Amino acid sequence: GNSVTQMEGPVTLSEEAFLTINCTYTATGYPSLFWYVQYPGEGLQLLLKATKADDKGSNKGFEATYRKETTSFHLEKGSVQVSDSAVYFCALSNVNYGGSQGNLIFGKGTKLSVKP
Amino acid sequence: DTGVSQDPRHKITKRGQNVTFRCDPISEHNRLYWYRQTLGQGPEFLTYFQNEAQLEKSRLLSDRFSAERPKGSFSTLEIQRTEQGDSAMYLCASRSQGQMNTEAFFGQGTRLTVV
Repeated sequence: GNSVTQMEGPVTLSEEAFLTINCTYTATGYPSLFWYVQYPGEGLQLLLKATKADDKGSNKGFEATYRKETTSFHLEKGSVQVSDSAVYFCALSNVNYGGSQGNLIFGKGTKLSVKP
Repeated sequence: DTGVSQDPRHKITKRGQNVTFRCDPISEHNRLYWYRQTLGQGPEFLTYFQNEAQLEKSRLLSDRFSAERPKGSFSTLEIQRTEQGDSAMYLCASRSQGQMNTEAFFGQGTRLTVV
């Protein structure tokens, strides 16, 4: 079945460091890919998305490119801030294939801590 | 606030008791999802509604779990005869009809602790 694998955390970085969080997926069909973020004490928020191969999603300085050949959707940011400290979830949206109407399949999450 | 709201935010119950959670989606969204998130894991899909119709249930949804969306607006998730393994965060999300790729908006969740 469809699945998402993302790098284990926690990840601790200094402010202004470069961030990469790896995410790979297994899917039938052509899923959409997402990164969600969960700040402490808050609900899940969509960070960025990509709906087809080679699309690049971007938001708040974060980027991820939908790579069909490597089945990957790695999250990157050139210079992290303390306020980026959160848990990041990679997810794919089941296409309408076998009945699943767009529910999300999540990775386990990667906790990022950014130190000043 | 027009986001997804869930009630209660926290619930502590004794094993064997029944509990019910409520989700109020964004008003114009006809699709509503329930997920369960345990510590250190990502959310796992439980069930999905389109309007009042429950169209899909995960195998995670045992027969002790039941969900309803009687008028196609708010939804309830009931767990009967709770077990300690039911302790988790229960998340609700809604999205608009049409494109598969529209954003799902999540509530802040209900944290259930079964003692």
